[in-house]
Amino acid sequence: AQSVTQLDSQVPVFEEAPVELRCNYSSSVSVYLFWYVQYPNQGLQLLLKYLSGSTLVKGINGFEAEFNKSQTSFHLRKPSVHISDTAEYFCAVSDDVNTGFQKLVFGTGTRLLVSP
Amino acid sequence: DAGVTQSPTHLIKTRGQQVTLRCSPKSGHDTVSWYQQALGQGPQFIFQYYEEEERQRGNFPDRFSGHQFPNYSSELNVNALLLGDSALYLCASSLYGPDTQYFGPGTRLTVL
Repeated sequence: AQSVTQLDSQVPVFEEAPVELRCNYSSSVSVYLFWYVQYPNQGLQLLLKYLSGSTLVKGINGFEAEFNKSQTSFHLRKPSVHISDTAEYFCAVSDDVNTGFQKLVFGTGTRLLVSP
Repeated sequence: DAGVTQSPTHLIKTRGQQVTLRCSPKSGHDTVSWYQQALGQGPQFIFQYYEEEERQRGNFPDRFSGHQFPNYSSELNVNALLLGDSALYLCASSLYGPDTQYFGPGTRLTVL
């Protein structure tokens, strides 16, 4: 069964500093990978996704992630964070790449805390 | 273009009661998935509907059931509510196939 590990439950960082949120997954087959962001009392918003092709994926709000198949990782990065990036970030995987029906398996989330 | 909508926003029930949550998918989407997000946790997959049938199911008891209507909207029903059912219930819609799931704002269910 597939699983997702987000290694850090909380990441504090100062405004304008770079940040990396780590995500590792376990799956024996080809996967799709996603990062979602959740602001307080809201649903999930898609930041970026990897389906195939280039391993460096660019998303919204200046975020990017790199798919590393050998290390089964999909770490999220931003070169300079803003106060407004404070939120919960979830990594998710789907390995139903050859079927019509997908379910997402999520990690437990990483809380990004940006302070001035 | 309206995104995924869910109703109600908040709901308070007591143990043993039954609840129905509703979801309207993003325009053009035909597949609806439901997730449960307990406090401080990542969302967990409940089930997925396509062509008015349940196509996949996660590790949830039969107290959790659903329905999809011809207009692709969906309902999640939970019977015999337990305190542990308190959570944010998220609906996601997508197109059939390897497509991105787009989430609604969720329904916060509190069971007392």
